[in-house]
Amino acid sequence: LAKTTQPISMDSYEGQEVNITCSHNNIATNDYITWYQQFPSQGPRFIIQGYKTKVTNEVASLFIPADRKSSTLSLPRVSLSDTAVYYCLVGASFSGGYNKLIFGAGTRLAVHP
Amino acid sequence: KAGVTQTPRYLIKTRGQQVTLSCSPISGHRSVSWYQQTPGQGLQFLFEYFSETQRNKGNFPGRFSGRQFSNSRSEMNVSTLELGDSALYLCASDPGQGNNEQFFGPGTRLTVL
Repeated sequence: LAKTTQPISMDSYEGQEVNITCSHNNIATNDYITWYQQFPSQGPRFIIQGYKTKVTNEVASLFIPADRKSSTLSLPRVSLSDTAVYYCLVGASFSGGYNKLIFGAGTRLAVHP
Repeated sequence: KAGVTQTPRYLIKTRGQQVTLSCSPISGHRSVSWYQQTPGQGLQFLFEYFSETQRNKGNFPGRFSGRQFSNSRSEMNVSTLELGDSALYLCASDPGQGNNEQFFGPGTRLTVL
């Protein structure tokens, strides 16, 4: 499974757009890129998943360049409630359908008033 | 649909004891995965069960075991508890066909004294 590298922490202010970039140089052809969000003392929550180009849902956008060696999670107009740890995972398409999420250290996002 | 539930939410044990944690997946989900989260090691995969069979396992000692019942409910057991087993234990479920969003429960906070 490909290893991911993302910033340890980021700070932002309410109403700003936040972009968190994740590097995954060894991503495999059949790997997907998935982002999870975790609040303190809660389980992670799926945000978005993509394979290439751009994916958008009601919560975020995911930008993936053609070489797929990195990806950027974009959170539009963040609020205080977006303060959480964000995890980038690669390899969510598991061979044989086996499910095993490999979490890195994540990015701790702090949104300030 | 009801979410993933875990019981108990909090547990205090002493070294050498054993503990059993329970997880009820979302209705219709056949895959249940377990994770351990500690401040030092982050989120680590323990094992995954699908149709009452363990089909993937992380790098944890044999003291950590689990099982899944015919209704997809799962239990994990930790024997001969050590101080380092203090952690948030998270359970996640999904339909089980691979490349699926995993839905996490709130976790069980285990403290070993």
